[in-house]
Amino acid sequence: QSVLTQPPSASGTPGQRVTISCSGGSSNIGSNTVNWYQHLPGTAPKLLMSSNNQRPSGVPDRFSGSKSGTSASLAISGLQSEDEADYYCAAWDDSLKAYVFGAGTEVTVL
Amino acid sequence: EVQLLESGGGLVQPGGSLRLSCAASGFTFSDSAMYWVRLVPGKGLEWVSAISSSGFNIYYADSVRGRFTIYRDNSKNLLYLQMNNLRAEDTAFYYCAKGDKINGWGSWGQGALVTVSS
Repeated sequence: QSVLTQPPSASGTPGQRVTISCSGGSSNIGSNTVNWYQHLPGTAPKLLMSSNNQRPSGVPDRFSGSKSGTSASLAISGLQSEDEADYYCAAWDDSLKAYVFGAGTEVTVL
Repeated sequence: EVQLLESGGGLVQPGGSLRLSCAASGFTFSDSAMYWVRLVPGKGLEWVSAISSSGFNIYYADSVRGRFTIYRDNSKNLLYLQMNNLRAEDTAFYYCAKGDKINGWGSWGQGALVTVSS
């Protein structure tokens, strides 16, 4: 069971907006930044959103991130077929002295 | 350009050992904390271990503590993960990654597959 809670799946049609939630606690999201990773089959994971809401170079601006209290979210505006992937949130946990991940959300473009 | 290249993966029996290596280039390795993260098929990403730039501070996931050892050779730009007493649940793609706990892991290797099976 993951420390951070994500929905197992999300979907939308091309052009729609999809939001993925990530819920944690005071020792992880409540105290530290959240980073998001995108994983496509057969490739290495990719940092998609850094420090809650910062897009690394090369990440399209249709991706956005936010954090409030012990929850975070990743939004994909203008969903595209190439966005079909697994998305993971992650944060350092001060109590566990460990990095914790969500179980991942599989995004499907209908 | 940052490059990370893992090696040392393979098939091993339960209870066996493997050592993964990660060759780093394109950045000042001795200034960078490094990480091992694994992707368990059908389950997702799991952080395994972290080591500070000097090697002084080391952290492990509970699932591997006491069995895995992370270390580095800054003179050779190499990161290692010694894995002992391997279990079936350690089967995964193992990635070395560069970054920090605030901004995340922006650079990843291509991964090394470790399969633990009899």
